[in-house]
Amino acid sequence: DAGITQSPRHKVTETGTPVTLRCHQTENHRYMYWYRQDPGHGLRLIHYSYGVKDTDKGEVSDGYSVSRSKTEDFLLTLESATSSQTSVYFCAISPVISSYNEQFFGPGTRLTVL
Amino acid sequence: TQLLEQSPQFLSIQEGENLTVYCNSSSVFSSLQWYRQEPGEGPVLLVTVVTGGEVKKLKRLTFQFGDARKDSSLHITAAQPGDTGLYLCAGYVRDTGFQKLVFGTGTRLLVSP
Repeated sequence: DAGITQSPRHKVTETGTPVTLRCHQTENHRYMYWYRQDPGHGLRLIHYSYGVKDTDKGEVSDGYSVSRSKTEDFLLTLESATSSQTSVYFCAISPVISSYNEQFFGPGTRLTVL
Repeated sequence: TQLLEQSPQFLSIQEGENLTVYCNSSSVFSSLQWYRQEPGEGPVLLVTVVTGGEVKKLKRLTFQFGDARKDSSLHITAAQPGDTGLYLCAGYVRDTGFQKLVFGTGTRLLVSP
C-alpha cells in the first residue's frame, strides 16, 4: 500500500469556522491531489500540486485553498466552512503525470458541516 | 456536466450471477481506468485500458475499451460477496496543459451470499 495518511479521519464543525485537512505521504511522489466525493458525482478534483509551492485549481475549487510547503504534506483549507462542503475528502498521489498513470488514494476524511 | 456516465448506479445480485457495468462518454479518451472502492477506504486501481477494442481480464473480471475509445465496460462472472463495492471508471483529460483524472458517477455493487 502506498504510504498516504489523512488527518483527521472524521470531523464535525459548524458553519463559518475554518477547517484544515492534512495529507501526508511517505512515497516522495511529486504530484498530490485533493478530491471530494459526493453521491451521484463520483470524485471531483478540488486542487492539485505539481511540486513544492506549485498548486493549481481543479473542477470545484471555490471555497477551498491549498498549500504545499514540503514534498510530503499537502494541506486543504476551508476558510469558512459551509454545509455544502459536507463531504468525504480524499487525497491522492502519483509519481508522474500522464494519461495512463495510477493515482494512489488515502483513506479519506469525512467532514460534516452543521 | 458529468463527462463520464456509469450505469447502472446500483446493482444488487446473488452470489454466482454475472453482471456488466457500463461507462459512457461523448468524449474520446486516450485511456480509461477502473477503480474499486470499499467502504471507509480510498479507490484502488483495477485496470487501465489503452487501445480501442482492447479486452483485459483479471480473474473473473473482464474489461473492454470501446473501438471509438468513448466507452468501457466491466463484466464480472460468477460474482462473489468479496466483489461488493463501488466501481468507478475514470479517464484523463488535458486541461491547461495538465492531465487531470475525471471520474464517472460510480456503480455500487452488492453481492449477497
